[in-house]
Amino acid sequence: GAGVSQSPSNKVTEKGKDVELRCDPISGHTALYWYRQRLGQGLEFLIYFQGNSAPDKSGLPSDRFSAERTGESVSTLTIQRTQQEDSAVYLCASSFGNSGANVLTFGAGSRLTVL
Amino acid sequence: KQEVTQIPAALSVPEGENLVLNCSFTDSAIYNLQWFRQDPGKGLTSLLLIQSSQREQTSGRLNASLDKSSGRSTLYIAASQPGDSATYLCAVADSSYKLIFGSGTRLLVRP
Repeated sequence: GAGVSQSPSNKVTEKGKDVELRCDPISGHTALYWYRQRLGQGLEFLIYFQGNSAPDKSGLPSDRFSAERTGESVSTLTIQRTQQEDSAVYLCASSFGNSGANVLTFGAGSRLTVL
Repeated sequence: KQEVTQIPAALSVPEGENLVLNCSFTDSAIYNLQWFRQDPGKGLTSLLLIQSSQREQTSGRLNASLDKSSGRSTLYIAASQPGDSATYLCAVADSSYKLIFGSGTRLLVRP
């Protein structure tokens, strides 16, 4: 596609429910990243995919968070038993290679509100 | 642990002014430094990427400098316009893939 597409754009859920956030990267981009942005703050790294493997999951806040990627395509970020502190905008980005030399293209984000 | 700080947190200027946004980082061992623009409800747009071996990059009215030894970068915006109003984020790549972001500077350019 022309850009990185994320869905849903907005999600309101009740505490304790599971949510899935989807990211469609730019076609041909081998690297995919998930970041989280809490209100008024910078972005926090969550996880990095190269192809369908995740060499670095160190940013995932707890074992309630997981992510997977199908080939060099769609990625899903799953949050189980959501808590209010999970409320944030979840941003996905992709690039041809890793960010050491390549510009990242970000999606518009999925805004998650946990009541 | 790498930390990125942006000053000021917010800035309001009249149209036409030249302005400078500041970014500092604590660990000089970086792969690159990037400046992004974030508009409300939209994703981030990459503005400039400076590799660790470079000193500056320019794109149109934007110029970004990098001084690794002092842990500083500046984003210079010439002849500011109302359309430049946005949040500007600085990020350093502390590995080949991970970006560490500052909290951003919210810029308002008044007509």
